[in-house]
Amino acid sequence: DVKVTQSSRYLVKRTGEKVFLECVQDMDHENMFWYRQDPGLGLRLIYFSYDVKMKEKGDIPEGYSVSREKKERFSLILESASTNQTSMYLCASSFPDRAVAEAFFGQGTRLTVV
Amino acid sequence: AQSVAQPEDQVNVAEGNPLTVKCTYSVSGNPYLFWYVQYPNRGLQFLLKYITGDNLVKGSYGFEAEFNKSQTSFHLKKPSALVSDSALYFCAVRDVPYSARQLTFGSGTQLTVLP
Repeated sequence: DVKVTQSSRYLVKRTGEKVFLECVQDMDHENMFWYRQDPGLGLRLIYFSYDVKMKEKGDIPEGYSVSREKKERFSLILESASTNQTSMYLCASSFPDRAVAEAFFGQGTRLTVV
Repeated sequence: AQSVAQPEDQVNVAEGNPLTVKCTYSVSGNPYLFWYVQYPNRGLQFLLKYITGDNLVKGSYGFEAEFNKSQTSFHLKKPSALVSDSALYFCAVRDVPYSARQLTFGSGTQLTVLP
């Protein structure tokens, strides 16, 4: 089975802190994603990576950056956390774009910025 | 542009009854449709997908979905609901087959199965 693991289930951070969310997948997937989930808004794509050191902005990249130094690991960085970044963050991975592939999700990190 | 609508925020059904969770979509090309389920405090789990072919798609946990091109719908169904089916359900679509980044999610429907 595909396993996507997010390093934390719950995080509480202070406004202005730099926050790192880590995600690791064990299926050698090329694609990795970071989504944000908010009630009534569904999932919104923050950033996407299709290979090591490659990244593309999603729909809501402002206030976020990402890092992919190794194929299995994709990190989301909040440069200076703000209260409007309080949310559930979901990491996902999938096979490369040559397949009509579904995404596999981690268990989510619920981040609270106070 | 592509979009997905889940017109019901909440669906309640009695255990043993059939359930339907509605999804309509809008794409400029051919649709590639997905259903995911999210249990409390968990990530999303893939249920099923429609790519092409048979309009009735069977998936995990006894769920199925019917693709209707004329009504641009992809409703999720199960003949007999279980209390354990209570969860948040997301429909998703893209019109590009080989671009996972272009997936658009609906806002979700909370399904509650009453014992």
